[in-house]
Amino acid sequence: AQSVTQPDIHITVSEGASLELRCNYSYGATPYLFWYVQSPGQGLQLLLKYFSGDTLVQGIKGFEAEFKRSQSSFNLRKPSVHWSDAAEYFCAVGYNTDKLIFGTGTRLQVFP
Amino acid sequence: DAGVTQSPTHLIKTRGQQVTLRCSPKSGHDTVSWYQQALGQGPQFIFQYYEEEERQRGNFPDRFSGHQFPNYSSELNVNALLLGDSALYLCASSRTASGANVLTFGAGSRLTVL
Repeated sequence: AQSVTQPDIHITVSEGASLELRCNYSYGATPYLFWYVQSPGQGLQLLLKYFSGDTLVQGIKGFEAEFKRSQSSFNLRKPSVHWSDAAEYFCAVGYNTDKLIFGTGTRLQVFP
Repeated sequence: DAGVTQSPTHLIKTRGQQVTLRCSPKSGHDTVSWYQQALGQGPQFIFQYYEEEERQRGNFPDRFSGHQFPNYSSELNVNALLLGDSALYLCASSRTASGANVLTFGAGSRLTVL
């Protein structure tokens, strides 16, 4: 069955520290890959996406993600976290449709 | 340019009642998808509408139904509400002709079933 795993439920970092959020997927073929962010009371905002080509993709707000086919992973990174980055982050996969499969999310807390 | 708008933002119902949620897609988008996000979980795909027809459906019972209107707006209907239907319902729109599925999400309708 297709699935997305985000092993870290909750991550706490200090402002200015680097960040890596993990995402692994189980899928029959290389899917489209996404990272979304959700702030309290808000919908989902697309951070970045991978469809094909360069496996290192740049997104908004200084985020980047790297697709590693051999590890079925699509980890999200940011070199220096800002307090405004505190939110819930969701990894999602899809295959040529709008039917995305989401992970359970990672809640990021940022300390000053 | 307005994004995806959903109404109502919050509502409370009792078990057994019926609810209708509404969604207006982003300008230029013709496809609407609905997702259910239970507390502490990721969104789960309910169904998708394109050209006023249900094109795909997730693993949800028939109590969940929808409709898409000629102006691309959409409704999600849930009958015979259960406590477990309490969730944030997210509408997402996209443009089918774009070829690659990039969804724009609304802020959601939070349903509480008592």
